[in-house]
Amino acid sequence: ETGVTQTPRHLVMGMTNKKSLKCEQHLGHNAMYWYKQSAKKPLELMFVYSLEERVENNSVPSRFSPECPNSSHLFLHLHTLQPEDSALYLCASSQDVYGESFGYTFGSGTRLTVV
Amino acid sequence: AQKITQTQPGMFVQEKEAVTLDCTYDTSDQSYGLFWYKQPSSGEMIFLIYQGSYDEQNATEGRYSLNFQKARKSANLVISASQLGDSAMYFCAMREGNYGGSQGNLIFGKGTKLSVKP
Repeated sequence: ETGVTQTPRHLVMGMTNKKSLKCEQHLGHNAMYWYKQSAKKPLELMFVYSLEERVENNSVPSRFSPECPNSSHLFLHLHTLQPEDSALYLCASSQDVYGESFGYTFGSGTRLTVV
Repeated sequence: AQKITQTQPGMFVQEKEAVTLDCTYDTSDQSYGLFWYKQPSSGEMIFLIYQGSYDEQNATEGRYSLNFQKARKSANLVISASQLGDSAMYFCAMREGNYGGSQGNLIFGKGTKLSVKP
């Protein structure tokens, strides 16, 4: 266990479904992130939250909607996804967004398949 | 242009031998950080080692060391005495700048798949 827990581990959803991914960290970190890992592509940053405020959104389609109710929890709400959205979604946390030597702590990811 | 280049899609190494995984980066920032992560088949990204651009010494963490050549913009990972459990994907990543800019944005390479043979 890394201290960052993601649920569910696997998710299969239809294109018309609505689902949510959950991330929880028990490290006392102030920054949380969503990354998307597609096959044969580098990890892509989707969203950054610092002290529960979104500080970066890398032009992610609106069918992905993040929510950070407190510094320990991060959600990614999904609706009307496309098959190309199938990927491993990784949550990460760090002490803050300015951290230098702190490694970002990642969760184990949610493997999402859109059918 | 790619910010992080990992030219080795796959590598094989014999157990107990050392292996070097290549990483080159591109940035115009004077201050930046370089990271290596390991991703086993379980999917979790495990932080291995960090090198700051102003660090004069190469970073080391147990069997991992980072061969940092600033002028060449390379940050190769060296794993000594390979073990079977080292088989995984390895990602090099960079964060540019200390403040402002793309806050918290770690830019990743495409990764190298390391296979350790018994």
